[in-house]
Amino acid sequence: NAGVTQTPKFRILKIGQSMTLQCAQDMNHNYMYWYRQDPGMGLKLIYYSVGAGITDKGEVPNGYNVSRSTTEDFPLRLELAAPSQTSVYFCASSHEPDTQYFGPGTRLTVL
Amino acid sequence: LAKTTQPISMDSYEGQEVNITCSHNNIATNDYITWYQQFPSQGPRFIIQGYKTKVTNEVASLFIPADRKSSTLSLPRVSLSDTAVYYCLVGGFVSGYNKLIFGAGTRLAVHP
Repeated sequence: NAGVTQTPKFRILKIGQSMTLQCAQDMNHNYMYWYRQDPGMGLKLIYYSVGAGITDKGEVPNGYNVSRSTTEDFPLRLELAAPSQTSVYFCASSHEPDTQYFGPGTRLTVL
Repeated sequence: LAKTTQPISMDSYEGQEVNITCSHNNIATNDYITWYQQFPSQGPRFIIQGYKTKVTNEVASLFIPADRKSSTLSLPRVSLSDTAVYYCLVGGFVSGYNKLIFGAGTRLAVHP
């Protein structure tokens, strides 16, 4: 099993550009999550999903969108990138709501 | 919403036992206590989870007193590779997965 995979690993965006962060898991987990982590801080939940077709907002959803068309994939869309979205983004999945498996992260810089 | 409080940082030496305590005074009846470890430039990794008393696995032990208002992660005989940030989380099915909050964690530095 590859576990949770994320692409790209690094990305630099200009203000106002858009992009999609990809996340996939091969563990047949129903629950998937997107977090962001700013330097020296803990993780903040952006969006989560309890299964294909079902998503909901977390703590910091503004400026982001998600979709969950399959069990395996949970892409995160950034529209109109802003410097405040410079962060490391982690995707995670779990069989149960509390024990999560994390991907390697995407380091995003918005200039 | 169960908030957790941990020490910001700790220092230890190789071969010592390290205990990291987490306070969660308003833990709900159905909440579990979960600890994650995070190395630089990596995602957090699940270490251990418990509900009450003591849980032990190949990596760590988790001690939870009867009132469940705190918990202690115990790392036996740490090595340099245990240098990481350790997060304590409280939550579970009834509390709602969207309410799992990662605090700033405890930065453990293990010295030779």
